[in-house]
Amino acid sequence: DAEITQSPRHKITETGRQVTLACHQTWNHNNMFWYRQDLGHGLRLIHYSYGVQDTNKGEVSDGYSVSRSNTEDLPLTLESAASSQTSVYFCASSASGRPADTQYFGPGTRLTVL
Amino acid sequence: QKEVEQDPGPLSVPEGAIVSLNCTYSNSAFQYFMWYRQYSRKGPELLMYTYSSGNKEDGRFTAQVDKSSKYISLFIRDSQPSDSATYLCAITNNAGNMLTFGGGTRLMVKP
Repeated sequence: DAEITQSPRHKITETGRQVTLACHQTWNHNNMFWYRQDLGHGLRLIHYSYGVQDTNKGEVSDGYSVSRSNTEDLPLTLESAASSQTSVYFCASSASGRPADTQYFGPGTRLTVL
Repeated sequence: QKEVEQDPGPLSVPEGAIVSLNCTYSNSAFQYFMWYRQYSRKGPELLMYTYSSGNKEDGRFTAQVDKSSKYISLFIRDSQPSDSATYLCAITNNAGNMLTFGGGTRLMVKP
């Protein structure tokens, strides 16, 4: 069965370190998204991609970067981790850019920055 | 003001009750309305989506959209303990697949 996976599921790091969160989908979806979820803020879009070599900034992109070298993967990098980036991170994918296309979410990565 | 507002709850109801979950939004350009369900420590999953004003029913779930009031609702009939989760409304416009989420309402259905 097609799926979307994230790794690691839990990560503890220190302020200033570079961290990369992995997202891998086997749906062969063109669109991939990264969100962070914080209490009181719901899900907020960090970056998204509509295809290989395409990346775009979302609502809360400062301090984060992504690159898309193939269809299956969209890694999220925190260049220099800050305590404000402690959050739960979700990756999602969808088949196309149509508004009603279902986004399928991964299980999340819980990141703690000390 | 957030683009999509949702009461965080928690909302606690007895098993069998009718549950009403609501969101308001500010941007009249929004055209597509979704409800996602998120169990604890899991990713959200799509429950229902609707495009137009009016009601859409799927089993025990009914989604209602009132574009004139910028108000959307999700009703759950005969609620079950397995419905205990956080419910997130999500809205988008015609310009693509980017969703704007509400903060989520935590629902607890007690046996």
